[in-house]
Amino acid sequence: DSGVTQTPKHLITATGQRVTLRCSPRSGDLSVYWYQQSLDQGLQFLIQYYNGEERAKGNILERFSAQQFPDLHSELNLSSLELGDSALYFCASSPRQGNTGELFFGEGSRLTVL
Amino acid sequence: GENVEQHPSTLSVQEGDSAVIKCTYSDSASNYFPWYKQELGKRPQLIIDIRSNVGEKKDQRIAVTLNKTAKHFSLHITETQPEDSAVYFCAAKNAGNMLTFGGGTRLMVKP
Repeated sequence: DSGVTQTPKHLITATGQRVTLRCSPRSGDLSVYWYQQSLDQGLQFLIQYYNGEERAKGNILERFSAQQFPDLHSELNLSSLELGDSALYFCASSPRQGNTGELFFGEGSRLTVL
Repeated sequence: GENVEQHPSTLSVQEGDSAVIKCTYSDSASNYFPWYKQELGKRPQLIIDIRSNVGEKKDQRIAVTLNKTAKHFSLHITETQPEDSAVYFCAAKNAGNMLTFGGGTRLMVKP
């Protein structure tokens, strides 16, 4: 158990819909990262937050948005869903913004868009 | 931005043999290079990492080497075992604090 909690574990929805994925980082970790992993694909960096503020942005679509709340949990919002958005979405946390140490990944939220 | 290339995409070895996975990166300012192992249906987990001021690091059967001049780093697994079968990802973290992953290598260790 990494200490990072993601909900829901599985989600099935239809094209055009909107979903919210939730992540609670490890206790004390200030940084939260979101990654997308499509079937048999690598880990695509979406966005990073540190202590409530956006710190780095990757290939995140305009239909996607995220935020980190004062209690440090984070939410990833996916709207106008398309079939190609079906993927495993991982959240990861680390203690400090500039820390070169380990990222602790959650178990992921598997999104299926039908 | 950073671009990380990883080879090979699949690797099949006999139990007991060695496995080598290679990665190249594009941003010369990158300073941290971790390797993650992802078993089927599981989350990625860090197995070893190396910082830019070190050329080699070893932990039991796994080792990582870094060549900053050539901008490439490699993972070496010796005496492979069936439980080493997984997808391995290299990554590079640049000065902008963005960790970019390679495309992954599916390692299969045949008993």
